[in-house]
Amino acid sequence: SQQGEEDPQALSIQEGENATMNCSYKTSINNLQWYRQNSGRGLVHLILIRSNEREKHSGRLRVTLDTSKKSSSLLITASRAADTASYFCATGPSGGYNKLIFGAGTRLAVHP
Amino acid sequence: NAGVTQTPKFRVLKTGQSMTLLCAQDMNHEYMYWYRQDPGMGLRLIHYSVGEGTTAKGEVPDGYNVSRLKKQNFLLGLESAAPSQTSVYFCASSRTDNYGYTFGSGTRLTVV
Repeated sequence: SQQGEEDPQALSIQEGENATMNCSYKTSINNLQWYRQNSGRGLVHLILIRSNEREKHSGRLRVTLDTSKKSSSLLITASRAADTASYFCATGPSGGYNKLIFGAGTRLAVHP
Repeated sequence: NAGVTQTPKFRVLKTGQSMTLLCAQDMNHEYMYWYRQDPGMGLRLIHYSVGEGTTAKGEVPDGYNVSRLKKQNFLLGLESAAPSQTSVYFCASSRTDNYGYTFGSGTRLTVV
């Protein structure tokens, strides 16, 4: 069962533009995490936001979390061609053991 | 500075054959996980372990077995491979709760 659902499924932008990806989930969580996957590679952890946090920044990344709406967004500012990848949100459910549930991902293409 | 290492990277099996996928981490992480990734479905949890000598079932455990005899190693076994097990398999580890995962680079398995 997929907890997180990303929107949009695919996004195509020009270099320098901002990219926004959204994630919705269904049950209560301890944390929500975002990962990047380049084609044919493993996933790379980008950022973790805890359930009691509303916003977090890391370099060009900004993540928001709205637990009342069970949703999160990932903003990548001033996108670069190297940001082309698939982005996944993953929720860490309440109950421990950090068993992440991943969404199907957003495919981002950044064109030079 | 290896992180999480998966072997092999590629494998082709015939239906009914068995094999073991090896995952090794050098970060002294407590938790380890096996996921499979299929097109359009994100990652699904097969089995996980919260410490040496412990294992537990995830979302899609049927047809797989695991062992964690040493803290740094987590083995995934397929006793009798089926075409439905054709997938990309990822191992990941995390320190404990509320930490991000470190992923291996994946094993691409084809069952014919």
